[in-house]
Amino acid sequence: AQTVTQSQPEMSVQEAETVTLSCTYDTSENNYYLFWYKQPPSRQMILVIRQEAYKQQNATENRFSVNFQKAAKSFSLKISDSQLGDTAMYFCAFMIPGTYKYIFGTGTRLKVLA
Amino acid sequence: GAGVSQSPSNKVTEKGKDVELRCDPISGHTALYWYRQSLGQGLEFLIYFQGNSAPDKSGLPSDRFSAERTGGSVSTLTIQRTQQEDSAVYLCASSLDNNEQFFGPGTRLTVL
Repeated sequence: AQTVTQSQPEMSVQEAETVTLSCTYDTSENNYYLFWYKQPPSRQMILVIRQEAYKQQNATENRFSVNFQKAAKSFSLKISDSQLGDTAMYFCAFMIPGTYKYIFGTGTRLKVLA
Repeated sequence: GAGVSQSPSNKVTEKGKDVELRCDPISGHTALYWYRQSLGQGLEFLIYFQGNSAPDKSGLPSDRFSAERTGGSVSTLTIQRTQQEDSAVYLCASSLDNNEQFFGPGTRLTVL
C-alpha cells in the first residue's frame, strides 16, 4: 500500500526567508506523480507544484521548488522569499497514473511571520 | 464554470437530520472526488466517480453516507441521520485526466 508521511505538523518562517517542508512516501511503483497542494485559511485547495517520477529534473514554479529524491522516496518543498500569503496548510500527495486514487499526507501548517 | 463550486458553504444541522451537499465540477471533467477533512486533519477519501459511475465507494464511512452523480456533472453527497462525528469540511474535486485535481471551496458541516 502507498503511504505519504509529512513529519512536520507545524512550521513557521520569517518573511523573506526560505523554508523547506518535508514529505516522504512509500511505494513499489516506478512511475507516479507527486504533488504539493496549498490550503489557505479560506479552505480552497490549490495545486502548488507537480513532479513526474520519471523526470529527474526537479520541478520549479517561481518561488516554489522541490527536491525530489526518488531512491530515498523523498519529495520536499522549498519556498524561497516567503510571503505572508504563503501562510497555509500544505499537503503532499501521491498518485499512480492510470488509477484514480490520490494519497494525501496529513499536512504541514506553515505560518509566515512578519 | 470557472472552477469547482460547492453548496452550501456552511451547514448547521441537528443530530439525526439528513443533509445534502452539492458539488458542481469544472465543465468537461469526467472524474469527481469527495473527501472529508476533520479539524486539523488531512484528507479522507470518500468516493470517486468516473462519469456517472462510482467504481470505488470503499471510503464511505457508513451506510448513512451515499453519493450520486447525474449527467456526468453535478454530484450530491447525502448523509442520513447525521451524527456529531460527521462534523467536518467536505471537499469535492474534479479532474480531466486523473492527473491534477481541482478542488472546490468545501462545505463546512456542523452537527449539533
